Parts: sequence; C-alpha cells; structure tokens
Amino acid sequence: KQEVTQIPAALSVPEGENLVLNCSFTDSAIYNLQWFRQDPGKGLTSLLLIQSSQREQTSGRLNASLDKSSGRSTLYIAASQPGDSATYLCAVEDYGNNRLAFGKGNQVVVIP
Amino acid sequence: DAGVTQSPTHLIKTRGQHVTLRCSPISGHKSVSWYQQVLGQGPQFIFQYYEKEERGRGNFPDRFSARQFPNYSSELNVNALLLGDSALYLCASSSPTSGTYYEQYFGPGTRLTVT
Repeated sequence: KQEVTQIPAALSVPEGENLVLNCSFTDSAIYNLQWFRQDPGKGLTSLLLIQSSQREQTSGRLNASLDKSSGRSTLYIAASQPGDSATYLCAVEDYGNNRLAFGKGNQVVVIP
Repeated sequence: DAGVTQSPTHLIKTRGQHVTLRCSPISGHKSVSWYQQVLGQGPQFIFQYYEKEERGRGNFPDRFSARQFPNYSSELNVNALLLGDSALYLCASSSPTSGTYYEQYFGPGTRLTVT
C-alpha cells in the first residue's frame, strides 16, 4: 500500500523567503505525482503534475522535482508572498489505477 | 469552461440518516472519483467511475455507494450516517484523452456534518 509523508507538517516563513516542502512515498512504481494547494475549507487546486518519466516541472515561482528511485519530491516556492499561505498536498498515482494517495499536507503561513 | 461542480456546498444530517452528494465533471471528462477528507488529514480515495462503470473502490464500508450517469455526472450515497462520516467530500474528474496525463481536477467539495 502506497504511503505518502509530508514534512514539515507546518511552517511559518517571512515574506520573500523561499519555501521548500518535502514529500516522500514508499512505492516507487508511480504513474505520476501531483502537488495541490488547499485553502481552509476549500477544494484542491492543482499546481503541478510530474509524470514518472520527468525529473521536474516549473510554473511561475513554483518548481517541483521528482526522484522516483528514492521516493521523494520537493516543491520549491520562490520569493514567498502572504497569498501563498495555504496547505500544500502531495499526491501520487500508482501505476495505472487512476487513484491518488495523499499526504497529510504542509500547512504554510507566510508572515508579511 | 466550468470546472468540477459539487452540490450541495454544506449540509447537516443526523446519525442514521441517508445523504446524497452530487458532482458534475469538467465537460468532456469521463472519469469521476470521490474522496473523503477528514479535518487535518489528506483526502482518502472512496470510488472511481469511468464510462459509468466502477473502476476502483477504497477501504470504505458498504454504507458508501456511488453511480455515474450517462452524462458522466455522479452521485455518492452514504447510508446510516455515523458521526465519523463528518468530512469534506471531494469529487475529481479526469480524462485519459485530455493530453494532460490523467491530471485530476477537483471540485470545491461538500462539507457534511453529522450530529
């Protein structure tokens, strides 16, 4: 059974600092990995999807890397802003089953 | 284009009652999945439907059931509600033909409170 762990569970950073969020998974036979953002009480917004054959994806200030062999992904958010305050969830799809296994999330607060 | 829509937004039920949650996928998406998110936890997979057939089921009791209609919308039904069923229920749609490698798009969720 795939297990996804995210550390740290919560962090606070001053505005302008770079954010580094970590995700690890136990079974490296994944199809893809997605990072989501969730605001309190809201649904999930997809940020980046990395296919199993890729090493990283970038979108604006966001960059996600994937090291499948070691079962790790990292989400970098450059020059954090107060609007980046949210919970960030990592999810992996095991090969071919179209279901996502989620971590518990990284709760981020960016202090103005 | 409209994203994934879910109804109702919130509802409150009493233990033992039945509830039906509804989801409309993104136009053209044929796969719908349901997830349960308890406060402070990541979402847990409940069901996946593709072309009106159940393709996957998570570790949930038989009180949970779902179906998908010809227009690809979906319902999640929960019978004999328990306090522990209180959660945010999320619906996601995806399409193998979208060119985005099965990226899943989530709706805003339905907040269910069982008292």
